Amino acid sequence: AQKITQTQPGMFVQEKEAVTLDCTYDTSDPSYGLFWYKQPSSGEMIFLIYQGSYDQQNATEGRYSLNFQKARKSANLVISASQLGDSAMYFCAVILTGGGNKLTFGTGTQLKVEL
Amino acid sequence: DTGVSQDPRHKITKRGQNVTFRCDPISEHNRLYWYRQTLGQGPEFLTYFQNEAQLEKSRLLSDRFSAERPKGSFSTLEIQRTEQGDSAMYLCASSLLGALLDYTFGSGTRLTVV
Repeated sequence: AQKITQTQPGMFVQEKEAVTLDCTYDTSDPSYGLFWYKQPSSGEMIFLIYQGSYDQQNATEGRYSLNFQKARKSANLVISASQLGDSAMYFCAVILTGGGNKLTFGTGTQLKVEL
Repeated sequence: DTGVSQDPRHKITKRGQNVTFRCDPISEHNRLYWYRQTLGQGPEFLTYFQNEAQLEKSRLLSDRFSAERPKGSFSTLEIQRTEQGDSAMYLCASSLLGALLDYTFGSGTRLTVV
């Protein structure tokens, strides 16, 4: 079974600063993908960024980048130039690309952006 | 297409009552997933469909839970004899087989059992 660990229950960052949200994963399958989602208080899961296990380069999407360290089974999310609207819950998730494509989520990190 | 739609957004029910939720996926997506998210936790997989076939069910899906996707389009999730422990956000997602980046969630149905 797959497992995701997010060790930071809560994080604070000042507006315009960068912040790193940690994620480690455990899977024995060589073919997998890693997602990061943002969940505001309204509840919807908003896709941020995806990294495949065979991707050579770290994924980037605008202000979001994924620091993928495969040997350490780490997939940290970096948010640059934080904005007040970034305040939300952030989830890391792993998916096995050869199977039923169900996601296994971590417990999340609550990010608060302050002025 | 307006994305994945879930109805209702909120449901309050008395313990012991039956409830049914609906999910309308993105029209061309052939896979549909149900997840449950309790307070302070990440979503947990419940079940998924490929077209109308239910291909996997989690152990979390007790015999009080049933899901259907009768024509391979919308899906319903029914909970019979609700318990307070069923209080959670129920999230639906859809995707196209082989297209992971199309994995899209709905806004969820928040169930409160009183």
